[in-house]
Amino acid sequence: GNSVTQMEGPVTLSEEAFLTINCTYTATGYPSLFWYVQYPGEGLQLLLKATKADDKGSNKGFEATYRKETTSFHLEKGSVQVSDSAVYFCALLTSSGGSYIPTFGRGTSLIVHP
Amino acid sequence: DTGVSQDPRHKITKRGQNVTFRCDPISEHNRLYWYRQTLGQGPEFLTYFQNEAQLEKSRLLSDRFSAERPKGSFSTLEIQRTEQGDSAMYLCASSLTSGLEKLFFGSGTQLSVL
Repeated sequence: GNSVTQMEGPVTLSEEAFLTINCTYTATGYPSLFWYVQYPGEGLQLLLKATKADDKGSNKGFEATYRKETTSFHLEKGSVQVSDSAVYFCALLTSSGGSYIPTFGRGTSLIVHP
Repeated sequence: DTGVSQDPRHKITKRGQNVTFRCDPISEHNRLYWYRQTLGQGPEFLTYFQNEAQLEKSRLLSDRFSAERPKGSFSTLEIQRTEQGDSAMYLCASSLTSGLEKLFFGSGTQLSVL
């Protein structure tokens, strides 16, 4: 079956530090890959996505590259801000067998200190 | 576009009672998903609809859980004979059916079973 594995959190950084949150996946077929973000007290919202191998998704300074050979979709940002403090979820979606069931990782909490 | 709405935001109930949650998706979205999220975990898929058809329900947690989407618009999730282990955030999400599209999430219904 499909699954997503994310690095354990929390990740604690100082403002302007470099961020990497690791995500690897197992899937049948050819998944689309997503990063969702959940700010405190809010619902999940899409941060970025990539639909095929070697695609790079980017938004708000965050980037992730779809690596089929390593089945990974690591999230990076060059300089984090306090406002980036949130929980980040890696997810995949395939149309395998005609079912469209998005699968999420457990989430990685990011805490950015001033 | 008012986003995905869920009602109520919070529900406190006693063990053994039945509860029902409502989700109103974005109006042009044909797919509607229900997820459960517990503290420190990612969203766990429960079921989904394409229009009024429930295409996947094998992952509903037990036969106490049921969902409907009678006219292909809003949906309800019912839990009968609630147990303390049912305490969680119940999330609804919707998407278009044009392909492997991103999800739009509601803010969720927080259920507490006493």
